[in-house]
Amino acid sequence: EAQVTQNPRYLITVTGKKLTVTCSQNMNHEYMSWYRQDPGLGLRQIYYSMNVEVTDKGDVPEGYKVSRKEKRNFPLILESPSPNQTSLYFCASSWGRQGPYEQYFGPGTRLTVT
Amino acid sequence: AQKITQTQPGMFVQEKEAVTLDCTYDTSDPSYGLFWYKQPSSGEMIFLIYQGSYDQQNATEGRYSLNFQKARKSANLVISASQLGDSAMYFCAMRADNYGQNFVFGPGTRLSVLP
Repeated sequence: EAQVTQNPRYLITVTGKKLTVTCSQNMNHEYMSWYRQDPGLGLRQIYYSMNVEVTDKGDVPEGYKVSRKEKRNFPLILESPSPNQTSLYFCASSWGRQGPYEQYFGPGTRLTVT
Repeated sequence: AQKITQTQPGMFVQEKEAVTLDCTYDTSDPSYGLFWYKQPSSGEMIFLIYQGSYDQQNATEGRYSLNFQKARKSANLVISASQLGDSAMYFCAMRADNYGQNFVFGPGTRLSVLP
């Protein structure tokens, strides 16, 4: 089954404790993205990647890191989480840069930073 | 900069009636794609419909159609014959093609379908 998986689905952590949210897709997609969703703001793009070893900042990259060492994986790293990073996080992937290539979303990771 | 505006935080519609969800966008890129996604209360993001900036005809997918008015920079979603299962958040999104995969989403509209 074609899918994007994220782990963990739920995470409660404390300020400053480094964490990684994993994302993996099995569709051989070139493009992957991370978003955060906050009430009233919709989804905001954190980072995206157009291929292995190629990443770029989205609209809200501060406090986050990513890496793309393999095509299928795109982990999101919070080196020193803060309470304002409490949010619902989505990973997404898609086929191409242009054209009718919608993004396939993972199930989401709900993160709480206390 | 790219921006999506959805001015209706919430909408109600009677079952079996049609409803239009508004979306306006702003971009200086002549090549772009517009997307609508549905997010039910379970949280997953479901792709509904796509419109390319150079597409001459309005996109349709089953009960969903996109009313694309390029000069007005609007991309409204029309849902015909609403069903109870259409109750959800709806997000309009844009990808500016000359900005890689920089997607921008609107704040969303919560649609409630009444029996």
